[in-house]
Amino acid sequence: DAGVTQSPTHLIKTRGQHVTLRCSPISGHKSVSWYQQVLGQGPQFIFQYYEKEERGRGNFPDRFSARQFPNYSSELNVNALLLGDSALYLCASSSVAGVGQETQYFGPGTRLLVL
Amino acid sequence: SQQGEEDPQALSIQEGENATMNCSYKTSINNLQWYRQNSGRGLVHLILIRSNEREKHSGRLRVTLDTSKKSSSLLITASRAADTASYFCATDARGSSNTGKLIFGQGTTLQVKP
Repeated sequence: DAGVTQSPTHLIKTRGQHVTLRCSPISGHKSVSWYQQVLGQGPQFIFQYYEKEERGRGNFPDRFSARQFPNYSSELNVNALLLGDSALYLCASSSVAGVGQETQYFGPGTRLLVL
Repeated sequence: SQQGEEDPQALSIQEGENATMNCSYKTSINNLQWYRQNSGRGLVHLILIRSNEREKHSGRLRVTLDTSKKSSSLLITASRAADTASYFCATDARGSSNTGKLIFGQGTTLQVKP
């Protein structure tokens, strides 16, 4: 079975632009989470979606938004890009959502560079 | 803010030696997971240990959990050059809203020299 897939793998944008990142979860998984990993740090939670509904949101500005589609794939959108948005964006899927539940499986990430 | 703190931040050993990494966290948890990351790529899940478990094994990996001390350790036995990577612990805080939010530490960078 395919793992979590993300596209694109790399992206270069300029300040003020908008970006859309995509994620396809493992087949049968209904929960998708997004994380931001700045160089040298651990991943930071951005969003979790389960059954197309937002289940959790991290401490990120409203420039960050996401959605989940009926096939459980997900998009992360970032508006008005800042230099500080340069990071590796990771998507993770799990079969269920909720505290203390299943393992989260991560995709390879999208590396975003904002110039 | 980061919940977990890994120690040491960096570790360099010779192939064949054992590597031990520690993780401390702040709040009560339901489970703790360890992940590996190679060169800024995606995270690979290694092992999950639940709050009512004290020790878990998977191949050359041994994880312990001490909820009274809010700490965990990851032992990699008979290390190989391919084990060179960054290792992260991640927790999901008990009592938080019903999300699968994971809270990561800053990681331990392990270098295994051939």
